[in-house]
Amino acid sequence: DTAVSQTPKYLVTQMGNDKSIKCEQNLGHDTMYWYKQDSKKFLKIMFSYNNKELIINETVPNRFSPKSPDKAHLNLHINSLELGDSAVYFCASSRGGRETQYFGPGTRLLVL
Amino acid sequence: SQQGEEDPQALSIQEGENATMNCSYKTSINNLQWYRQNSGRGLVHLILIRSNEREKHSGRLRVTLDTSKKSSSLLITASRAADTASYFCATVWRDDKIIFGKGTRLHILP
Repeated sequence: DTAVSQTPKYLVTQMGNDKSIKCEQNLGHDTMYWYKQDSKKFLKIMFSYNNKELIINETVPNRFSPKSPDKAHLNLHINSLELGDSAVYFCASSRGGRETQYFGPGTRLLVL
Repeated sequence: SQQGEEDPQALSIQEGENATMNCSYKTSINNLQWYRQNSGRGLVHLILIRSNEREKHSGRLRVTLDTSKKSSSLLITASRAADTASYFCATVWRDDKIIFGKGTRLHILP
């Protein structure tokens, strides 16, 4: 059973489009995260949710909007996609904010 | 920047040798975590070491933490081809903020 899953795995789209990435964890964790990994492999946290409540909201354009319908899901919606949004987006979860994180396989987004 | 900084950025060693990677950071932390990322995959957790711990082991992995020097090291003994990956340290601050370093790319030569 996959602990943290993301869909889609690959996403190729045109500039200006709106897209969503979904994340689900079956570990019973309270905290979920979204990360962006750029072409240089630098991993930067974007958002953190604890029990459906936004905890961390890093300096991210407001075109990015996370939504947590329940504790096991954290989706990422991106409006008006730009070339610079091309990256790998990782979802992760943990029991608490300071604990080990479990990562999903990543969603490779390419904006043309 | 408060992020952890891994050193070296890249490391190539012969299979069977030991590999050592270092991580330095700038502020007080709650714990420090090491992760591995194979090419095209997500990160996998290796070891979490808390600020009051000095050393932890897991199989062929050994992690040390020196809070006075604000540094940690990851030692992989008897390296194998399967250890080829990028290794990241992540520092967890007192307010639960987590910052990942830029990673060390380890290549094990046959």
